[in-house]
Amino acid sequence: KAGVTQTPRYLIKTRGQQVTLSCSPISGHRSVSWYQQTPGQGLQFLFEYFSETQRNKGNFPGRFSGRQFSNSRSEMNVSTLELGDSALYLCASTQGAIYNEQFFGPGTRLTVL
Amino acid sequence: SQQGEEDPQALSIQEGENATMNCSYKTSINNLQWYRQNSGRGLVHLILIRSNEREKHSGRLRVTLDTSKKSSSLLITASRAADTASYFCAEGGSNYKLTFGKGTLLTVNP
Repeated sequence: KAGVTQTPRYLIKTRGQQVTLSCSPISGHRSVSWYQQTPGQGLQFLFEYFSETQRNKGNFPGRFSGRQFSNSRSEMNVSTLELGDSALYLCASTQGAIYNEQFFGPGTRLTVL
Repeated sequence: SQQGEEDPQALSIQEGENATMNCSYKTSINNLQWYRQNSGRGLVHLILIRSNEREKHSGRLRVTLDTSKKSSSLLITASRAADTASYFCAEGGSNYKLTFGKGTLLTVNP
């Protein structure tokens, strides 16, 4: 099976712009989670989707949003980018319960200038 | 913050030595998971130990769990240079997310 794929891998934006990141889970996985990783805060949970429904959301401002499509692919959007949004954004998928083994994609490295 | 803590934050050893990393967590868990991350890349799942288990082995990895102390440890035996990476523990609860610790940076010198 193909692994979790994320596009794009690298992205450079300027403050105030918006960005959309994409994640394709492993075939058959219906749960997709997003995490933000920064040197200062570490790995922070953004949100989790299952069958197009958001089941949990982390402590991030409303500028961070996401969605999941019927084929389980997911996107996350960040509007009005700030310098502090520069981070590695990781997507993970899993089969069954959310606390099972997570399969992570390679991440999208976002740099906000 | 609800994040757990790994100890030590950084560990440097020679090839062939054993590496031990500790993790303390804060919530009630269904399981405790360990992941590895090579520099700036995605995380790779290493091992999962359920809340009713005390010890688990996988190859050169040994994980223990003490739910009374809310702590876990990861032992890597006979370390290799390729084991150089960051290691994270993650609390698997029932609230549809994993809560990660800050990680331990392991350097294995050839």
